[in-house]
Amino acid sequence: GENVEQHPSTLSVQEGDSAVIKCTYSDSASNYFPWYKQELGKRPQLIIDIRSNVGEKKDQRIAVTLNKTAKHFSLHITETQPEDSAVYFCAASRGTGNQFYFGTGTSLTVIP
Amino acid sequence: DAGVIQSPRHEVTEMGQEVTLRCKPISGHNSLFWYRQTMMRGLELLIYFNNNVPIDDSGMPEDRFSAKMPNASFSTLKIQPSEPRDSAVYFCASIPSGRAWTGELFFGEGSRLTVL
Repeated sequence: GENVEQHPSTLSVQEGDSAVIKCTYSDSASNYFPWYKQELGKRPQLIIDIRSNVGEKKDQRIAVTLNKTAKHFSLHITETQPEDSAVYFCAASRGTGNQFYFGTGTSLTVIP
Repeated sequence: DAGVIQSPRHEVTEMGQEVTLRCKPISGHNSLFWYRQTMMRGLELLIYFNNNVPIDDSGMPEDRFSAKMPNASFSTLKIQPSEPRDSAVYFCASIPSGRAWTGELFFGEGSRLTVL
């Protein structure tokens, strides 16, 4: 099965700085890579995703990059704000009808 | 749509008791997932169903855990007997099939289980 590894497990940044979270996957058939944000006591919610036919995707202050050859993908948050503080999970999937495998999460703290 | 509905939201029970967690997926979604979340292990996939049929239950930790999906609108995750190490937040999630799928995995609010 798929194995998704995520680093770092915790990350603290000053407000306004950038944050980068990295994930690797093992299954070359995985073709869909979403990122979820989970605020304390709440459900995970999708913030951005990327499919294997794209190398980079941006949505305002967040971006995701994918390197299929190396089997790794990263989340980039620029101009961080205190409300970005949360746990972020990466995931990999073969797509609809298949399971999603999650990384172990990164607890991001943005210091005002 | 009310989203994925889970019950109970919180359960506190004693070791050895049976626990049943319930999930109602979003109407029209035909894939349903059960995840367990702990600090140490993050989000672990326990089992998932397609069209009410269990596809992969390799994540179910042991025989004390069982899951059913008797129809398209209801699933249960049962732990019998429960143990303190089962304490976690259990999430149910669903997605539609084929072209209707935008990629998002829709999570319920979770059921926080504490086994004393």
